[in-house]
Amino acid sequence: GAVVSQHPSRVICKSGTSVKIECRSLDFQATTMFWYRQFPKKSLMLMATSNEGSKATYEQGVEKDKFLINHASLTLSTLTVTSAHPEDSSFYICSARSLAENSYNEQFFGPGTRLTVL
Amino acid sequence: GENVEQHPSTLSVQEGDSAVIKCTYSDSASNYFPWYKQELGKRPQLIIDIRSNVGEKKDQRIAVTLNKTAKHFSLHITETQPEDSAVYFCAARNFGNEKLTFGTGTRLTIIP
Repeated sequence: GAVVSQHPSRVICKSGTSVKIECRSLDFQATTMFWYRQFPKKSLMLMATSNEGSKATYEQGVEKDKFLINHASLTLSTLTVTSAHPEDSSFYICSARSLAENSYNEQFFGPGTRLTVL
Repeated sequence: GENVEQHPSTLSVQEGDSAVIKCTYSDSASNYFPWYKQELGKRPQLIIDIRSNVGEKKDQRIAVTLNKTAKHFSLHITETQPEDSAVYFCAARNFGNEKLTFGTGTRLTIIP
């Protein structure tokens, strides 16, 4: 099946610093990637839809300047948490949608990145 | 937008018994309904999905049923095993909209 990787898997940073998280589709091309945030014992909340070559579409309540998304190629999207604060601590998961004709637009999830802001 | 409700939030089942998780959705235009299994600290894994042109789909011990009229769909796991213990999420999507809307999750515990 299709594989999506994320890097780093875990990051601890000081308050005020910026953190970049990478999401890669390893064996397929993805014009669309999605970024989710998941709090402990909670569901996945969509933050934004990342489109290759264009601006990301953010969900209501998600700060564009706080969570910068870049989708520079068909296999890579990055999420940068700028000026991170403790309340940004969370599990961030990306997913990618396959372009394959028979994929029924299935989304494949990355392994997630656990961000802890001290 | 779409709203997906999921019940129960927790479910404990004796090993070998069946487990049923139910979801309802609000958008009648939704036509794709996947189910994901997520183990602690891991990525969600697609376990089964169903499209609106089908009423039921089965894959070994796992089955999903869809009632379009009532706008609800259910996951059925038979002959449960300890490795079935995890959090299960339902989701819904309209094919014209790329976004998946997730349910709130069900923590399933299989009691040996």
